[in-house]
Amino acid sequence: EPEVTQTPSHQVTQMGQEVILRCVPISNHLYFYWYRQILGQKVEFLVSFYNNEISEKSEIFDDQFSVERPDGSNFTLKIRSTKLEDSAMYFCASSGGVDEQFFGPGTRLTVL
Amino acid sequence: DQQVKQNSPSLSVQEGRISILNCDYTNSMFDYFLWYKKYPAEGPTFLISISSIKDKNEDGRFTVFLNKSAKHLSLHIVPSQPGDSAVYFCAASGGGNKLVFGAGTILRVKS
Repeated sequence: EPEVTQTPSHQVTQMGQEVILRCVPISNHLYFYWYRQILGQKVEFLVSFYNNEISEKSEIFDDQFSVERPDGSNFTLKIRSTKLEDSAMYFCASSGGVDEQFFGPGTRLTVL
Repeated sequence: DQQVKQNSPSLSVQEGRISILNCDYTNSMFDYFLWYKKYPAEGPTFLISISSIKDKNEDGRFTVFLNKSAKHLSLHIVPSQPGDSAVYFCAASGGGNKLVFGAGTILRVKS
């Protein structure tokens, strides 16, 4: 069964450093998303991406964040200068249309 | 952001019985609702969804009911199995692809 994959599973970084989280969505999907879950809190929407551009973003997704689809298979989330409060589980998701989104296993980001 | 609320943080059910998980929403623009199941250290797994034009959707042991007038949906699992023990998230979308999640309900199925 096709699935969304994410790498790395755990990323530890120093405050102020740049991180890139990687995702391989399901191959025939057209919509891509990033969500995050801070420990003990809800899963929160960050950004959606369609047709090589951002279609929607949340207030969390400020200038420190960017997304890219560098090739036909990868979808990345970059945080330019990490802050302590960026520590969270980051989930990538994809969907074929405006319907069910399928999530990856997540990347645990720890900012020290 | 309290647009989607799951008021029961946890639920304990005996194996073989029915599990009923509840969810309320406040935004009348929501038109698509989903339930996800999540194990620790894994991503949410899609279970079942329902469009606002329906009031019931069934898939095997899982049934979702939608009451639009009450802005309430519920997930029924019958019969419950120990492997169903997980965190269950209700999510909603409307006018776009962004999912708004509830806080989750921890389901424990006792054998």
